[in-house]
Amino acid sequence: AQTVTQSQPEMSVQEAETVTLSCTYDTSESDYYLFWYKQPPSRQMILVIRQEAYKQQNATENRFSVNFQKAAKSFSLKISDSQLGDAAMYFCAYPNGSGNTGKLIFGQGTTLQVKP
Amino acid sequence: KAGVTQTPRYLIKTRGQQVTLSCSPISGHRSVSWYQQTPGQGLQFLFEYFSETQRNKGNFPGRFSGRQFSNSRSEMNVSTLELGDSALYLCASREQGIRAEAFFGQGTRLTVV
Repeated sequence: AQTVTQSQPEMSVQEAETVTLSCTYDTSESDYYLFWYKQPPSRQMILVIRQEAYKQQNATENRFSVNFQKAAKSFSLKISDSQLGDAAMYFCAYPNGSGNTGKLIFGQGTTLQVKP
Repeated sequence: KAGVTQTPRYLIKTRGQQVTLSCSPISGHRSVSWYQQTPGQGLQFLFEYFSETQRNKGNFPGRFSGRQFSNSRSEMNVSTLELGDSALYLCASREQGIRAEAFFGQGTRLTVV
């Protein structure tokens, strides 16, 4: 069964510093994609970044980047130049089942605190 | 485009009652998925509807049911509420297609007393 594991329940970072959130997953599929979602106190989940498994290059979106290690089944999120607005819960997610599915398997989440 | 809209935002119900939650997807999105979020269990998938048909189902008891209408709006129903059903219920919509991103609503906070 596919599983997603986030081993850091809480992390904190100083404003303007860099922080890395970890995620590992388990799958037998070869072609898939992975997401990082952010859930601020407003509760609305927002997509931060997406990685296609077939792509060698790590995805980057402004201050957010991933370190995707397919063989190790690791998918970490790096936040550079952290801002107060980055404080939120972050979830790693994997679409369960191949192809066109709306079912996401989420990790347990990491609560990120940003200190001024 | 308007985002995913969930109503109501907050609900308080008594054990044994039933409840219906509503989700209006982004215009043009035909897939709607529901998730339950609790501090203990995290985010768990309930079910997915596409073109009025249930396409995927999570591991929840039969008290949890849903449906989707021809305009893609979806409802989720929980019958015979239990204290453990207290949770944030999130709805997500997406376009048809592989790797399509899921867009989430702000959720409905259900409290069972």
